Formats: sequence, structure tokens, C-alpha cells
Amino acid sequence: AQSVTQLGSHVSVSEGALVLLRCNYSSSVPPYLFWYVQYPNQGLQLLLKYTTGATLVKGINGFEAEFKKSETSFHLTKPSAHMSDAAEYFCAVSMNYGGSQGNLIFGKGTKLSVKP
Amino acid sequence: GAGVSQTPSNKVTEKGKYVELRCDPISGHTALYWYRQSLGQGPEFLIYFQGTGAADDSGLPNDRFFAVRPEGSVSTLKIQRTERGDSAVYLCASSSGRGGDQYFGPGTRLLVL
Repeated sequence: AQSVTQLGSHVSVSEGALVLLRCNYSSSVPPYLFWYVQYPNQGLQLLLKYTTGATLVKGINGFEAEFKKSETSFHLTKPSAHMSDAAEYFCAVSMNYGGSQGNLIFGKGTKLSVKP
Repeated sequence: GAGVSQTPSNKVTEKGKYVELRCDPISGHTALYWYRQSLGQGPEFLIYFQGTGAADDSGLPNDRFFAVRPEGSVSTLKIQRTERGDSAVYLCASSSGRGGDQYFGPGTRLLVL
């Protein structure tokens, strides 16, 4: 069975500092990996995803994530935090059905706060 | 274009009552998913439709939960004999097909008193 673990339910950084949100997964087969962001009272928005190919994936708003198979990790980073990055971030995994993604399995989320 | 919409945005009901939650997917999207997000948790998969049929309902917690998508577009999640533990945000997502990216609606916040 697949599962996702996000280390740290709350992360606080100063504006301009590095953002690092951790995600580890377990899966018996190579999965698809995702990061979603949820702003207050809004729906989940896809930040980036890894399916195949290059393991460093770039997403919207300057975020990127690296798939490390040996560590079963897919950590999310951004070099310089902005106040507008304050939100909740969810890592998710899905099965790879012959090149198509399946249902998403989410981690519990990490709430990012950005201090001025 | 218009995204996924869900109505109502908030629903308060009493224990034992019946509720219906509606999802309007992005036009042309054939795949539709329902998820439930309890407080402090990530979304959990409930059911997946491809067209009009429920292709995977393995996430429905029990037989009080049922969902339909009669014309392959709008979907309704139905909960009978609601319990306080059903209180959560119910999210709907649609995609252009089984392999497409899922686009989420803003959710319906259900509170069972």
C-alpha cells in the first residue's frame, strides 16, 4: 500500500529565507509524486509533479522538488520565501497505471508561515 | 475558463439527517473524484467516476455514502443518516481523463451537529 509522510505539521521561515518542506513516500512500484498548495478558503492547486524523466521538477511560484528514489523522498524547496507563500502544502502520491495517474494519496500537510 | 465548482460551500445539518453535495466539473472533463478532508488531515479518496460509472468506490467509508453522475458531468455525493464523524470538507476534483492532472474545487464544509 502507498503512504505519504510529511515531516513537520508547521514550518516557519523568515521572508527571503530558504523554504524546505519534507515528504517521504512508500510505494511498491515507482509512483507519480505531487505537491499541492491550499490557500485559506480555496481549493487545492497543483504546484508541481513528477512522473518520469528528470528528477528535478520545477513548478509554479519558484518552487521545485527533487525525486530521490534511494531516499524515497520528494522534498519541496524554494530559495527565497515570500509572504504570499504562506499556505498549507500537501504532498501526494498516485499509482502509475501504465502511464496514467490514479487516485491521489495525500500526506497530512505542512502549514508554512512566513515572517516579515 | 470556469473551474470546478461545489455547492453548497457550507452545510450544517443535524445528526441523522440526509445531505446532498454537488460538484460541477470543468467542462469536458470525463474523470471526476471525490475526496474528504477531516480537520488536520490530508484529503482522503472516496470515489472515482469515469463518465457516468463509478470506476472505483473503494474509499467510501460505509453504505451510508453514495455518489452518482447520471449524465457524465455533474456529480452528487449523498450521505444518509449523517453522523458527527462525517463532519469534514468534501472536495471534488476533475481531470481530462484517467491520466490527467486533477483540478480541485473549493470544497463543501459539512458540519453535523
